[in-house]
Formats: sequence, C-alpha cells, structure tokens
Amino acid sequence: EVRLLESGGDLVQPGGSLRLSCAASGFTFSTYAMSWVRRAPGKGLEWVSAISGSGTTTYYSDSVRGRFTISRDNSKTTVWLQMNSLRAEDTALYYCVKEVRTAATWGQGTLVTVSS
Amino acid sequence: DVVMTQSPLSLPVTLGQPASISCRSSQSLVHSDGNTYLNWFQQRPGQSPRRLIYKVSNRDSGVPDRFSGSGSGTDFTLQITRVEAEDVGVYYCMQGTHWPLTFGGGTKVEIK
Repeated sequence: EVRLLESGGDLVQPGGSLRLSCAASGFTFSTYAMSWVRRAPGKGLEWVSAISGSGTTTYYSDSVRGRFTISRDNSKTTVWLQMNSLRAEDTALYYCVKEVRTAATWGQGTLVTVSS
Repeated sequence: DVVMTQSPLSLPVTLGQPASISCRSSQSLVHSDGNTYLNWFQQRPGQSPRRLIYKVSNRDSGVPDRFSGSGSGTDFTLQITRVEAEDVGVYYCMQGTHWPLTFGGGTKVEIK
C-alpha cells in the first residue's frame, strides 16, 4: 500500500523558515517524481513544487520560486520542502503527492500557519 | 500559465440524479508525448484529495463506475450517473501537461 506521511508543519512568524518532510513507503520511490500541493483556508488547490525521481530536476510555482527548495533522498524514501521567507499567504495545508503529471496519491497533509 | 475554468461553482443535486462538471483549459492539454494529462479529484470534507480519473477518462481502482471522464483538447467533463450521499465534496480538475501545473477552482457538490 502506498503511504505518504507529511510532517514539519507549525506556526511560524512572517519571514521565518520551516522544513516539511514526506516519508514515503509502499512503492519504488526513486522511480517516481513527487510534488507538493497546498490548500489555503477557504481556497482551492495550488501546485507548489515538483522534483524528478532522480532529484536532478526541480520545478516551482512563481509564488514560491526563490523562497522554497524541494529535495529528496531516495535512500531514505523522503522528500522535503524547505520554506524560507514565509509570508501570511503561505498559510495552508501542504500535501505530498506521488507522481506529478497525474497526481496519483496524496498524503494527509501538514498544516503551516504563518502569523505574528 | 494554463488557466483551468470549472463550472458550475456549486452543484446541488438530488440523490439518484445525474451530475456533470465542466473543465475548460486556456490551452490544449495534449502533451508532446501524445498523452492528455487532465485529471479529476474528489475532496470530501475533512479528507485529502483523492484521484478519480486520470488522463481524461481512466478511472482509478476502487472508484465507482458511476464516475466517468470525457473530453479532448481544451474541453473536459466529469459525469456522475447517479449521485449518492458519499459523493458530497469538492471536485477539482488539474492539468499536468504544462508547467506550472494548475487546478480548476473547484466545484462543490451538495445534496438538495
């Protein structure tokens, strides 16, 4: 069974940093690209970032490029999202997603709240 | 960016009746590899999104056959033949063809 377990969400002040983790199991991790998608309170889904299976290629939405960094360690079957210079508008539930173009499986999400 | 326009925003439906959600893209979703990466998701209250349909019309394992997807190019539809109480939630289309990936604004399905 495919499992994606996010962690690392917290309350952080504007300008602060957080690192989200997604521990994956139940599939051959290195062969799948992975994404982060978020849902802000009262809003719809927004794709944030993606990384290829090898980790050599990364993609970002314009709203987070330059502030967020996605990475992965295939030996640990984990993907991370390093979030710097956080803003109030980054407040959201962040989901880890297996596969990118077809978004096959979603984790339960981890909540990030940016507020003073 | 590719804009995904869903309609309607809200869809009140009588149990047992059909429902249809439209999703239109601002550009063709045919990828250079020949696939059309248009996917549909259901998000029930308090739950994570769940994929129902991938690449326009492929139903995921475990998804009831009352759900079906169709369309091509820039015009796509999710149909529910007979709505059941468990179908309440928000439905999203998503394109995976062009970067950045984008979602429709969502359609809230509720029971009348």
